[in-house]
Amino acid sequence: DTAVSQTPKYLVTQMGNDKSIKCEQNLGHDTMYWYKQDSKKFLKIMFSYNNKELIINETVPNRFSPKSPDKAHLNLHINSLELGDSAVYFCASSRQSSSYTFGSGTRLTVV
Amino acid sequence: GENVEQHPSTLSVQEGDSAVIKCTYSDSASNYFPWYKQELGKRPQLIIDIRSNVGEKKDQRIAVTLNKTAKHFSLHITETQPEDSAVYFCAPFTIGNAGNMLTFGGGTRLMVKP
Repeated sequence: DTAVSQTPKYLVTQMGNDKSIKCEQNLGHDTMYWYKQDSKKFLKIMFSYNNKELIINETVPNRFSPKSPDKAHLNLHINSLELGDSAVYFCASSRQSSSYTFGSGTRLTVV
Repeated sequence: GENVEQHPSTLSVQEGDSAVIKCTYSDSASNYFPWYKQELGKRPQLIIDIRSNVGEKKDQRIAVTLNKTAKHFSLHITETQPEDSAVYFCAPFTIGNAGNMLTFGGGTRLMVKP
């Protein structure tokens, strides 16, 4: 059983489109996160959700919106995609004060 | 917020040599210090971690040492092997008003030459 699963693994889309990435965890963790990894490998937090409440929202464009229907899911919606959004997006989950378990990543390419 | 720096950014060693990567952080409230390994095209995976009440932890060829006073912790890999080649990230955990999270360093690309 995959602990943290993301879909899709690859996403190629045109500028201006709207897309979603899904994430699910079966670990019973109470917090889920979205990280963006750019071409230089920097991992930057975008959002986190704890018990369906957004507790971190770094300075990301409001074209990005997280949606958590329940504790086990945290989806990422992106509107009006831009070239600069191309990156690998990682979902992760954790219990408080412990390590993260990452999903396998979604490589987004905007053309 | 937390400021995290890793050094060096790239490290090349001969197989069998040791490798050391250092991570400095700014938030004295940080209390959990993991290291992640990311192979090419894969997800970051936890390889070792340490909590603030411990100074050193070892797991076979890898070890982590923590100096809370100086606010730095280091990853030590002995008897390096080609499969150790990857990008390594430190990620101190902070509990703060802005939320609880890991803040990742910029990464260290380790290359082990056979």
